Order: sequence, then C-alpha cells, then structure tokens
Amino acid sequence: KAGVTQTPRYLIKTRGQQVTLSCSPISGHRSVSWYQQTPGQGLQFLFEYFSETQRNKGNFPGRFSGRQFSNSRSEMNVSTLELGDSALYLCASSLAFTGTGVTEAFFGQGTRLTVV
Amino acid sequence: KNEVEQSPQNLTAQEGEFITINCSYSVGISALHWLQQHPGGGIVSLFMLSSGKKKHGRLIATINIQEKHSSLHITASHPRDSAVYICAVSIKGGATNKLIFGTGTLLAVQP
Repeated sequence: KAGVTQTPRYLIKTRGQQVTLSCSPISGHRSVSWYQQTPGQGLQFLFEYFSETQRNKGNFPGRFSGRQFSNSRSEMNVSTLELGDSALYLCASSLAFTGTGVTEAFFGQGTRLTVV
Repeated sequence: KNEVEQSPQNLTAQEGEFITINCSYSVGISALHWLQQHPGGGIVSLFMLSSGKKKHGRLIATINIQEKHSSLHITASHPRDSAVYICAVSIKGGATNKLIFGTGTLLAVQP
C-alpha cells in the first residue's frame, strides 16, 4: 500500500514568486491536512480538507491557500513568497473524522521550500 | 503558554538506557499522538491513544486523562532510536483531524 506522496521534495524560489505543492494521500483516505514546520515555530497547522471542502484553517495569511480534488489529492499554494515562508511543508492523510474519534495521521516526507 | 508542553527538550542517553519523554496538555482532547521524526523530515506515527497504555516493541506510551499527561518510554535504547519525538493532540469536539504539536524532544542515543 503506497504511503503519502508529496511532490516536489525540494524547491528553491525567489521572493515574490508563487509556489504550488502537491500531496497524494493513501488510497481511501479522504482527509488531508497541511502543516508548516520551521525551527522557530515548530509544527503549525495550515488547513484541512475533507471531500474537496476546507474543513478547518489555521492562523496563516491569505497568501496560503489550498484545494482538494475529487480523487482526494490536495495542493497548497503560497503566493508572493517571503523569506519567512522557508520551511518544511508536511501533509498528513487520515481516513476521516468518524464523529466518535479521530483516526491516525499518516505523514508524507514533506517538501522543503527555500525562499531566496 | 503552549497548549502542548514536552520535556525534556534535549536528551542524551547511553545505549541500553531506559528513556522517558513527558507530554502535558491544557486542552480537552479526543486523542494524543506520539510521532517520530528523523533527520530528513519524514514523520512516523508511533502511537495514537485516548486512554491507558499501548506497547509496540520497545516503545510504551501511557496517558492519564485526569492529569492531562502522557509519557513515552523507550526500553533498552539503541542508537537507531535517535530522532525527534513529538507529542501532538487532537482537540475534543468538532469534526477535524487537526493536530496541535509540542515542540519536540531531540533524543541522541550514544553507543
């Protein structure tokens, strides 16, 4: 069973550019969450998608956006990149929130974004 | 104050030692997760628990819901256990898989 796949693994962009990162969840998983990891702030929640709908959003500026497709694959986009956006971006897939309890999160290897 | 606190932040142990990493949280949770991150970035889920105790190989995780505290134990530690161990919680209520993370514990096991 294939794991969570994130592409690309590494990316270098210039300030002001925009970037799109991709996450393919485990087959059958409909929930995809995105996280940003930096040395200073640690792991922070960006947003969560379930069945093509954004279900939850973290405290990030509007330059950070995302979407989910009908096959559950998700993309996140960062526009007008700033130096502070340099980070490891991780996505996690889960079966779904059942209403009676959460399900285990499976993480991808991450995309390391460097903004210069 | 962070909603999830871990201690210690750094831990150095000799091979074979028994290791304990602690996690305290201040919010109502539906589950607590212990995660492992090796250099290079990938995160692996070790345990997800909402009560009691779970064991997998040399790893043991316990949680005390009343005290809002969890511990991760590693028995007979080995250099390959060297990694960052992260505690994360799923907030109670609301249909979401959002996780809130502790700052992590960097473990180095020396041969």
